[in-house]
Amino acid sequence: EAGVAQSPRYKIIEKRQSVAFWCNPISGHATLYWYQQILGQGPKLLIQFQNNGVVDDSQLPKDRFSAERLKGVDSTLKIQPAKLEDSAVYLCASSLGLAGVGETQYFGPGTRLLVL
Amino acid sequence: GDSVTQMEGPVTLSEEAFLTINCTYTATGYPSLFWYVQYPGEGLQLLLKATKADDKGSNKGFEATYRKETTSFHLEKGSVQVSDSAVYFCALSDRGTSYGKLTFGQGTILTVHP
Repeated sequence: EAGVAQSPRYKIIEKRQSVAFWCNPISGHATLYWYQQILGQGPKLLIQFQNNGVVDDSQLPKDRFSAERLKGVDSTLKIQPAKLEDSAVYLCASSLGLAGVGETQYFGPGTRLLVL
Repeated sequence: GDSVTQMEGPVTLSEEAFLTINCTYTATGYPSLFWYVQYPGEGLQLLLKATKADDKGSNKGFEATYRKETTSFHLEKGSVQVSDSAVYFCALSDRGTSYGKLTFGQGTILTVHP
């Protein structure tokens, strides 16, 4: 079974530029998560989708970050314009069920973003 | 709000030593508890989990027991190997306040020397 795929793996941009990340979850998984992991910290949830609907985006900086999950499968996360403090690893995860508190989340390899 | 606190790291051990990584949590509701591990160059993967008080999660020789009275979920292994060198994250998912999102601790770097 293929895991969660993410691209690109690395991205370097200058501040005020825009950037987009792509995630393909495990086939059949209903729930998709985007986490931000700043160096030396644990991941923090940015947004959670159930199928193609948003269930939690309370920690998403909506003035610059946006995300969508078309057709309930792939997802993209965009930052526009980027700030220096957005330098982090962006992790995508998926889980099989809907809003499963005890469910296992499967993580992709992450996209490492450096904003100069 | 929900939070997870892990012991300060990094942790350096010799092969076959006993490992304990402390984890305590604060939660509004009744959480499920997890340990995730990140090996060098790889993504986060689930190591073990427990969904109710007194449950013990175990995998690959690692164990952790859900202690509601002390709000703890300490990770232990009796004899570590060089291949256990990784970053370990304690996390919770709270039934009362979330739709399944994980709240993570800051991570503990473990290095095991031969």
